[in-house]
Amino acid sequence: GAVVSQHPSWVICKSGTSVKIECRSLDFQATTMFWYRQFPKQSLMLMATSNEGSKATYEQGVEKDKFLINHASLTLSTLTVTSAHPEDSSFYICSARDAHTQYFGPGTRLTVL
Amino acid sequence: DAKTTQPPSMDCAEGRAANLPCNHSTISGNEYVYWYRQIHSQGPQYIIHGLKNNETNEMASLIITEDRKSSTLILPHATLRDTAVYYCIVPRGIQGAQKLVFGQGTRLTINP
Repeated sequence: GAVVSQHPSWVICKSGTSVKIECRSLDFQATTMFWYRQFPKQSLMLMATSNEGSKATYEQGVEKDKFLINHASLTLSTLTVTSAHPEDSSFYICSARDAHTQYFGPGTRLTVL
Repeated sequence: DAKTTQPPSMDCAEGRAANLPCNHSTISGNEYVYWYRQIHSQGPQYIIHGLKNNETNEMASLIITEDRKSSTLILPHATLRDTAVYYCIVPRGIQGAQKLVFGQGTRLTINP
């Protein structure tokens, strides 16, 4: 199957700082990418859908000014968690879609102290 | 948007076939069924998808009932590494703008 990478795989930051997570589709071009987050013992929750060259569409209840998404190319999307707080600590997972299927990255574990 | 229903947990002995059921009784004629799994602390892994016909690949087989209201994912010879949460998903939204919304899935435990 297609490969999606994320960087970094884990990050620890201080409260109030911003963190950027990168998502890349390595062997295919993805016009659409998705960002999910997952809290312990819970399922994945879709945060937003991003299309290359246009603004992201956020799910209800997700703050667009806090979770900035940029999808500048067909192989790269970034999620920036601005002014992170301990409650933002979570497992963030990106996904990229080819013609038929969504493929997922390995996830980024964010811990905010 | 079709919703899916899966048992919360299942157990299977190593080496045996694992059969994971999924109900999607409100599925419409052009909606696919996708299966993913998530091993602890990893991103979900794509397994297989289908529309009407049964499908098979190197990982699993997907059996879809004739009325399309349910399906079964079959792992023919389960190993300990198949222990994971398995998700049956019918994508939501219009064609070309669909997204995967995850339910609680089935936690499959393979026992030695």
